[in-house]
Amino acid sequence: DGGITQSPKYLFRKEGQNVTLSCEQNLNHDAMYWYRQDPGQGLRLIYYSQIVNDFQKGDIAEGYSVSREKKESFPLTVTSAQKNPTAFYLCASTGDRLVTEAFFGQGTRLTVV
Amino acid sequence: GQQVMQIPQYQHVQEGEDFTTYCNSSTTLSNIQWYKQRPGGHPVFLIQLVKSGEVKKQKRLTFQFGEAKKNSSLHITATQTTDVGTYFCAGKDGNKLVFGAGTILRVKS
Repeated sequence: DGGITQSPKYLFRKEGQNVTLSCEQNLNHDAMYWYRQDPGQGLRLIYYSQIVNDFQKGDIAEGYSVSREKKESFPLTVTSAQKNPTAFYLCASTGDRLVTEAFFGQGTRLTVV
Repeated sequence: GQQVMQIPQYQHVQEGEDFTTYCNSSTTLSNIQWYKQRPGGHPVFLIQLVKSGEVKKQKRLTFQFGEAKKNSSLHITATQTTDVGTYFCAGKDGNKLVFGAGTILRVKS
């Protein structure tokens, strides 16, 4: 089955620790995205990547970092510089067809204590 | 950059009533997409509109794209409890996929 997988589903970390969220897709999509969602809020773009070894900051990139060493993988690191990291994180990918809908992973709920 | 605004933020309807959410962009869109996120879930693609003035239907859902390609709407006829969730519109700003803030729909049975 083709799809996009995020892990883990729930993650707890102590304040001041860096944490990396995994995102893997087997859809052969070039573009991948990371969004943050706070309770009752919309999706805010953190980082996006159109191609391997290239990525751009979104609207709220401060305190986050990413890498795109493989087409299938786009991990997100939440660093200690992120002031309020507790949130629901969603990874998405899009292809190059005429209808370029985004496919989302199940999300990772990060809680920093 | 492009901004996508969505209203209302929240709507609570009685089962059987209609529901509409509106999306407005600060710039002309090449296309607009609509997604639904069930409580506790992830956004799932519903539809993409491309042409000016386009109208598409999916059962009780009607999607419209404005003539100027800067606004769109999603209308649900006779809501059901299965319609609950958050409805998002999204548009492309260059290579960025930008989402509206979403409209949370609650349905009272």
